[in-house]
Amino acid sequence: SQTIHQWPATLVQPVGSPLSLECTVEGTSNPNLYWYRQAAGRGLQLLFYSVGIGQISSEVPQNLSASRPQDRQFILSSKKLLLSDSGFYLCAWSVSSGKQETQYFGPGTRLLVL
Amino acid sequence: GNSVTQMEGPVTLSEEAFLTINCTYTATGYPSLFWYVQYPGEGLQLLLKATKADDKGSNKGFEATYRKETTSFHLEKGSVQVSDSAVYFCALKLYSGGGADGLTFGKGTHLIIQP
Repeated sequence: SQTIHQWPATLVQPVGSPLSLECTVEGTSNPNLYWYRQAAGRGLQLLFYSVGIGQISSEVPQNLSASRPQDRQFILSSKKLLLSDSGFYLCAWSVSSGKQETQYFGPGTRLLVL
Repeated sequence: GNSVTQMEGPVTLSEEAFLTINCTYTATGYPSLFWYVQYPGEGLQLLLKATKADDKGSNKGFEATYRKETTSFHLEKGSVQVSDSAVYFCALKLYSGGGADGLTFGKGTHLIIQP
């Protein structure tokens, strides 16, 4: 069966510091991978998605970037964090299957920027 | 653009009450529809889905029917339990055929079930 891992689970960082969040998927090959952010009082917002190694699409221009160095690894980064980057970051995976495609989410990383 | 609207709550019910959480959508095409549930401190879990009009998704006693004529996907459960307390997200996905497609989420409905 497939599993998805995210770490760290919780992170407290000062403004201006760098960020690296990692997501890995097990039990599947060539998944689509996604990063979402859930900010306080707001819904989930799609940040990035990837259909393959080195292929990244950005949905919202911002202070963050994503990379996919391996088939089942997806990394979210920032060179300098802002207060507004605080939130709950969720990674998701899916396998392309047309209208039946379903995204499965990881446990999330809670980021607090002070 | 695409959007999902759902009641934000909190919705507070007594145990064994009937639950309805309304969800309506606007989409430029013919989406698939989903309900996800988020328990405190956790990620999202898929609750149920429907991919075409009149489909009914069901899981763990929850049901939702894809109503194209009213662009709705309301979540229902006949008898809620304290363990159903969570945040429920309605979401849609359009299939573009060109690769990955992100989900468009509603803002979530916080459900509180009291014993």
